Amino acid sequence: QSVLTQPPSASGTPGQRVTISCSGSSSNIGSRYVHWYQQLPGTAPKLLMYRNNQRPSGVPDRFSGSKSGTSASLAISGLRSEDEADYYCAAWDDSLSGVVFGGGTKLTVL
Amino acid sequence: EVQLVESGGGLVQPGGSLRLSCAASGFTFSSYWMHWVRQAPGKGLVWVSRIKSDGSSTTYADSVKGRFTIARDNAKNTLSLQMISLRVEDTAVYYCARDVGGDSDSWGRGTLVTVSS
Repeated sequence: QSVLTQPPSASGTPGQRVTISCSGSSSNIGSRYVHWYQQLPGTAPKLLMYRNNQRPSGVPDRFSGSKSGTSASLAISGLRSEDEADYYCAAWDDSLSGVVFGGGTKLTVL
Repeated sequence: EVQLVESGGGLVQPGGSLRLSCAASGFTFSSYWMHWVRQAPGKGLVWVSRIKSDGSSTTYADSVKGRFTIARDNAKNTLSLQMISLRVEDTAVYYCARDVGGDSDSWGRGTLVTVSS
């Protein structure tokens, strides 16, 4: 099982707002930045959010990130069919001295 | 344009060895931490290892410590991962990545390693 905990699936209809949660501990999310990746089918992961809520250039502002204590969340507003993908949270873990990922959340756009 | 191109994957028997390479271009390779991240078929992402920009520091996941060695050649803009004593559970797509979690985060397309008899 993964160090960071995500729901295995999420869904929404076009135009809706969906939120994906990521739960960790004091050695990772509680003391470090959280990052989010989007992985479209058959492709490499792409950074969606870094340092909790910073969007790389080219990422639409429909995507937003937040962190509180040992949990983080990714919100997607104005859901589109092209948002259908797997989403992963990640953070550095001070106890493990390595990057830890969530198990991934498969987002389905109904 | 940043490019990371992995190579060296393939089929290997349990207990065997394999060396992965990642050719970097389009950026100053020697300025960045580099990582290997793997993904077993149908599974999630798992961090494997990282190496500092000048090669002076390396870190490994417990699952590969003592079996995998990360290295870099800044003169040739190349990252490598030497893997020995391979196990069936090492089967995965291995991604080379720059600056994981940073504002310069970038990943290659990956190379598939299959460990099977």
